[in-house]
Parts: sequence; structure tokens; C-alpha cells
Amino acid sequence: DTGVSQDPRHKITKRGQNVTFRCDPISEHNRLYWYRQTLGQGPEFLTYFQNEAQLEKSRLLSDRFSAERPKGSFSTLEIQRTEQGDSAMYLCASSNPGLPTGELFFGEGSRLTVL
Amino acid sequence: AQSVTQLDSHVSVSEGTPVLLRCNYSSSYSPSLFWYVQHPNKGLQLLLKYTSAATLVKGINGFEAEFKKSETSFHLTKPSAHMSDAAEYFCVVSLGNNAGNMLTFGGGTRLMVKP
Repeated sequence: DTGVSQDPRHKITKRGQNVTFRCDPISEHNRLYWYRQTLGQGPEFLTYFQNEAQLEKSRLLSDRFSAERPKGSFSTLEIQRTEQGDSAMYLCASSNPGLPTGELFFGEGSRLTVL
Repeated sequence: AQSVTQLDSHVSVSEGTPVLLRCNYSSSYSPSLFWYVQHPNKGLQLLLKYTSAATLVKGINGFEAEFKKSETSFHLTKPSAHMSDAAEYFCVVSLGNNAGNMLTFGGGTRLMVKP
């Protein structure tokens, strides 16, 4: 399967712990996005990269959230000192400039539960 | 600023009957509009898109949507529902010149199809 893959699919952690999610985009896509989806809501934009450059990060929810894409391929999203309110599905998507605006390819998500 | 309102959180139809999922948008600029579908345990998938060409847009699986600027609406329809259409549907807006394809999702409509 050459779609967007995310790991882990499920993560249960205790409040105060750090967690990291990984996203592998479709190989020819140079844009990568992170969204968060809470129960009963639509996804909300967090950040995006073009190649290794993080071009928009003002929507990251707090300074506990950070994302990297060091070599312009896979990306990681880290949440430090997790809180119960961080429990959500974290979605990764990819695209490239050759695709029509708004046409993103999403992974199946990483579900975080903070106890 | 841009926003999307999906007028129904749940819609239930019988198999073989028409589907109507309602969406209103607000955008300061000429928007691009999309419908995405999310099946259980699957990634979000693009259903169809409007990008200022024809106002009636056809998508996959027999769905279509009509852009009505005067009503700021982009309702999703299908003439005859199938059991496999049961899923969560999201209306999405993107600024046409939005760098990075930052999408704004509506709250979602869960479509249930009864046999």
C-alpha cells in the first residue's frame, strides 16, 4: 500500500507523559499536514510542511506541541506533558503542488488516549 | 476568515431513497469547497470538489453537489442511497489562494442507511 501511513495507530498514556506520532506521506508528495480530530468534531488544522520547511505552525494548540520533518520525508508530531484534553485522533495528510487545491490524502490516524 | 456549518449532525435514510446533506459556508474570498467522506477505521477520502468551474460538481459513487453563491450553500446529494454510503461526511472550505491548502472542516454529518 503506497498511501499515507501513521504509527502508532493507538496510544494510551498517562497524563504528564510525552508522546510522539510518526507519519510517512505518499512518496512523491512534498507537502505534509497534521490535523487533530476530537470526538464528534471535524478535523482542525495544526501545521504543515513543504519539504522540510514548516510553513505554518501558528495553529499548534500550545507550546507542548511540536512537529518536525527533518529530511522532507516522514514527519513526527510530539506532545509533551500530555493532558486529558489532548485525547483525540491525530491525522496526517499529504499532497503536492501538482494536485488541485484542497485535494489531500489522509492517513487512518493515530488515536491518543490520555488517562 | 472562513467557516463551514453542516446543518445536520445525523441523517437517516432508507436504502434506495435520496440523500441530502446540507452545508453552508462563509468566506471572505472566492472559496474552494469540498466534501470528504470518512468510513469507520478508514482515512478521510475526497468525494468531490468545487473550484470555480461548473457549479454542479459530480463526485465518486454517484454523489454530486451544487455551489449556490447567493445562498452560500454547497449541499451534497445522491439520488439513491446504498448501504455502503453509511459514513461521516465533512463539508470543507479552502481559500483559493491559501498557501498550503489549509482546510477548514465542518462538524460532520453522520449518514445512516437503513435496509
